[in-house]
Amino acid sequence: EPEVTQTPSHQVTQMGQEVILRCVPISNHLYFYWYRQILGQKVEFLVSFYNNEISEKSEIFDDQFSVERPDGSNFTLKIRSTKLEDSAMYFCASSRRGYNEQFFGPGTRLTVL
Amino acid sequence: SQQGEEDPQALSIQEGENATMNCSYKTSINNLQWYRQNSGRGLVHLILIRSNEREKHSGRLRVTLDTSKKSSSLLITASRAADTASYFCATDAVEYGNKLVFGAGTILRVKS
Repeated sequence: EPEVTQTPSHQVTQMGQEVILRCVPISNHLYFYWYRQILGQKVEFLVSFYNNEISEKSEIFDDQFSVERPDGSNFTLKIRSTKLEDSAMYFCASSRRGYNEQFFGPGTRLTVL
Repeated sequence: SQQGEEDPQALSIQEGENATMNCSYKTSINNLQWYRQNSGRGLVHLILIRSNEREKHSGRLRVTLDTSKKSSSLLITASRAADTASYFCATDAVEYGNKLVFGAGTILRVKS
């Protein structure tokens, strides 16, 4: 059964460093998303991406964040200058259409020191 | 406004018993989805119920949706120790796009 994959599973970085989190969505899906979950808190939406552009973003998704689909399979989230409060589990998700089932990857645990 | 608030926050049952978790939300929705998350792991999609549906089944899972009360329930029948996890409801709506808004979740513990 096709699934969303994410790399790395764990990322430790120093405050101020840039990180890139990678995702491979399900191949015939057209909508891609990033969410995050700070330890012990709710899963929060960051950004959605469709037709090679951002379709929606939350207040969390400020100028330090960016997303890219560099080729036909990968979908990346870049955090330019990490802060301590960026420490969280980051989930990528994809769906075939809008307003449809969203399938999540296993997540990348980001720790900012 | 907050969407997708589950109750109870935690539920502990014996293997073989049924587990019922509830979710309430505040605005009109397109769909409501239920997810399972094992400790520190990814979100596993369980079931999606659309706003024009009232009940849906998948294996041992039964989901109901009452749009007049803005609530949903997830019933797991004949629970197993492997069902131990956190369960989240998530909603999407035209007014806030197809992003999912998650509740805080119910922690289910099934004792063997």
